[in-house]
Amino acid sequence: ETGVTQTPRHLVMGMTNKKSLKCEQHLGHNAMYWYKQSAKKPLELMFVYNFKEQTENNSVPSRFSPECPNSSHLFLHLHTLQPEDSALYLCASSRRADTEAFFGQGTRLTVV
Amino acid sequence: AQSVTQLDSQVPVFEEAPVELRCNYSSSVSVYLFWYVQYPNQGLQLLLKYLSGSTLVESINGFEAEFNKSQTSFHLRKPSVHISDTAEYFCAVSNPEGSNYKLTFGKGTLLTVNP
Repeated sequence: ETGVTQTPRHLVMGMTNKKSLKCEQHLGHNAMYWYKQSAKKPLELMFVYNFKEQTENNSVPSRFSPECPNSSHLFLHLHTLQPEDSALYLCASSRRADTEAFFGQGTRLTVV
Repeated sequence: AQSVTQLDSQVPVFEEAPVELRCNYSSSVSVYLFWYVQYPNQGLQLLLKYLSGSTLVESINGFEAEFNKSQTSFHLRKPSVHISDTAEYFCAVSNPEGSNYKLTFGKGTLLTVNP
């Protein structure tokens, strides 16, 4: 238990569906992140929020839309995904942008 | 720009044998260094970190890593592994002088401990 909670743990969605991934931390951290972990590929940083402001977007397609309503919650809204978007999506948080990140258990997403 | 190279994608060893997982980094500025472990179907867990001070850092489960600035390395070692150490291990580097988040991960090394 790292203090970062992701829901749901598993999600199967069709290419025309709209769904959201949720991440919550009560560690008092100021930075939150979304990562994508695909088989046979390195971890890909998708988005960074620092004090609720998005500070990094690593050329992520617009079918992924992040939202950070407060420093404890982070969402990833999904729509019209492709099968190649199937992956483990990891949320993480850290006290500062340069300190160690604490990860949630991830959401295993399958796009059919 | 900073980068991390984990030289071995897979490392098979027998139980109770020693192991070293190699990590080299590239950065033009000072760095913080981390090792994370990921068990199947789990998120990443911080194993140990180097921020400053002693270049040898240890984890609670017997792993250690040594920061070697001249060789830009942060190799992870354990003198005797257990079956339960089977997992994927990620080395990561961050830039403490930057204002933006710059935690960069290596591609990971899958450690498989066989009986």
